[in-house]
Amino acid sequence: DTGVSQDPRHKITKRGQNVTFRCDPISEHNRLYWYRQTLGQGPEFLTYFQNEAQLEKSRLLSDRFSAERPKGSFSTLEIQRTEQGDSAMYLCASSLATVSGNTIYFGEGSWLTVV
Amino acid sequence: AQKVTQAQTEISVVEKEDVTLDCVYETRDTTYYLFWYKQPPSGELVFLIRRNSFDEQNEISGRYSWNFQKSTSSFNFTITASQVVDSAVYFCALSGRGGADGLTFGKGTHLIIQP
Repeated sequence: DTGVSQDPRHKITKRGQNVTFRCDPISEHNRLYWYRQTLGQGPEFLTYFQNEAQLEKSRLLSDRFSAERPKGSFSTLEIQRTEQGDSAMYLCASSLATVSGNTIYFGEGSWLTVV
Repeated sequence: AQKVTQAQTEISVVEKEDVTLDCVYETRDTTYYLFWYKQPPSGELVFLIRRNSFDEQNEISGRYSWNFQKSTSSFNFTITASQVVDSAVYFCALSGRGGADGLTFGKGTHLIIQP
């Protein structure tokens, strides 16, 4: 499968613990995005990378959240000191931005439950 | 600021009926992209279509068709002869700044196709 892959698919953690999600984008895609989706809502933009540079961060991304994309390949999203409000699905997406457009492809998501 | 409105929270039809999902958007950008994604119960967002703001031609792909009208800022999606496998949540999304932005999603329409 050459789509966007995310790991783990499901994570249950106790409040206050740290969690890390990994995303492997479609190879050769230069952009990588993180979104968060809660039940009954559309995905909300968190941050995106162009190659290894983090170009934009949403106000939703509090100081407890950090994302990295070393070497412009895979990315990690870490949440420190998790809170119950962090329970959501975290979606990774990638795209190849060209002059003709930018189609964004999503992974299957990582479900986080904070108890 | 960008905004996407999907006024229909849930639609239920009987198999083989035609169904139209509405999408209205707001943006100040002159060049932008519109998207539709399908989200089945498994959670993955499946890309369906991307439409550039300068191309108002309607598009048909099998049983799916899209009607883009810039004058009313709408990008509606019609499924002809619906099937049970079409049951999912459908999201309309907008990418501004000529596609440089990430996606702004609507809240989604839950489509239920009854056998």
